[in-house]
Amino acid sequence: AQSVSQHNHHVILSEAASLELGCNYSYGGTVNLFWYVQYPGQHLQLLLKYFSGDPLVKGIKGFEAEFIKSKFSFNLRKPSVQWSDTAEYFCAFFKAAGNKLTFGGGTRVLVKP
Amino acid sequence: NAGVTQTPKFQVLKTGQSMTLQCAQDMNHNSMYWYRQDPGMGLRLIYYSASEGTTDKGEVPNGYNVSRLNKREFSLRLESAAPSQTSVYFCASSEGAVQYFGPGTRLTVT
Repeated sequence: AQSVSQHNHHVILSEAASLELGCNYSYGGTVNLFWYVQYPGQHLQLLLKYFSGDPLVKGIKGFEAEFIKSKFSFNLRKPSVQWSDTAEYFCAFFKAAGNKLTFGGGTRVLVKP
Repeated sequence: NAGVTQTPKFQVLKTGQSMTLQCAQDMNHNSMYWYRQDPGMGLRLIYYSASEGTTDKGEVPNGYNVSRLNKREFSLRLESAAPSQTSVYFCASSEGAVQYFGPGTRLTVT
């Protein structure tokens, strides 16, 4: 079965630290990849997406992610986090056949001021 | 545009009670989805509707029914609520791969 694994359930950082969240998916075909963010008390918002082309994609709020096909990975990075980046982050992939998103379990990030 | 709206925001039910969660989108999207979100499990798909008049089961459909009333509205019904259905429920819509989410309904079943 297709799945998405996020390696860390909880991450605690200080402001200005760098962030990297791991994401691996298991599916051999063509996928579209996403990172969604959920700020406390809010709904999910799209952070960035990868469909094709340059494997390094840039999203909102200084986030970027790199698609490495050989490793089935799509890790999220931010060089310097802010307190306002405290949120839960979800990796997801979309397989066109089936018209469905498959989500990882999420990573809660707490940024200490 | 309001995007995706959901009602109610909060609900408490007793075991065995029924209720319907409402969802509407004003983006003219064909596809709509219902997810539940539980700690450590991400979002799991309950049901989805690829277009008006069609519905399909997702990963965790047991205990739920859905109705795609028209292109805008997609409701989720719990006929006999159980404590295991305590969760946060999100509706989403899409045209293509990018999904847009509603604000969620926090449901507690006692």
